[in-house]
Amino acid sequence: DIQMTQSPSSLSASVGDRVIITCRASQTINSYLNWYQQKPGKAPQLLIYAASSLQSGVPSRFSGSGSGTDFTLTINSLQPDDFATYFCQQSYSIPYTFGQGTELEIK
Amino acid sequence: QVQLVQSGAEVKKPGASVKVSCKASGYTFTSNDINWVRQATGQGLEWMGWMNPNSGNTGYAQKFQGRVTMTKNTSISTAYMELSSLTSEDTAVYYCARGWQWLTYWYFDLWGRGTLVSVSS
Repeated sequence: DIQMTQSPSSLSASVGDRVIITCRASQTINSYLNWYQQKPGKAPQLLIYAASSLQSGVPSRFSGSGSGTDFTLTINSLQPDDFATYFCQQSYSIPYTFGQGTELEIK
Repeated sequence: QVQLVQSGAEVKKPGASVKVSCKASGYTFTSNDINWVRQATGQGLEWMGWMNPNSGNTGYAQKFQGRVTMTKNTSISTAYMELSSLTSEDTAVYYCARGWQWLTYWYFDLWGRGTLVSVSS
């Protein structure tokens, strides 16, 4: 199975900050990388697919980059609604594994 | 409205089985795979498997092979996930999620609200 490792596991930031979350795959996954946001008690929501494509309806302050084994999710100008947990997921091969999550908290 | 509506919470005893349903509406049920993902309290997301509602073909994570069965009833646009031989380790929220393909890329663009399955003696 492909292991996905996110860093950091948790992050404190303020409204208006720029934050970067990284995700590393245990082997190359080309651009088969998705990002999801999850709020407490809710289902995950897709933010980014194919490493850098913004899902319809997702604010443009979210962006993704990377290919191969190293990927980043960048959130520009944090908004109060962005404080949540973020997961990466590889869709290169089954099983479609997820990272352990990055909890973004208000400083 | 495009949505996946899941069945309600379940409480089961160790050794029992549970069957969770996921009803699709607002889109053509047979056009997209349904995936199942679970999440133990405070933990990460774990992909369990997929089912093609058109063909009925399935693929399961090795961890769940022999214990999980994914089926469908096309006439009511509903997918099912049955997990047997439950232990306390299976206590989690179970999500169904629609698989979407763009070129060769797959992702989960629509999720159900989740079904809490609690396993306790």
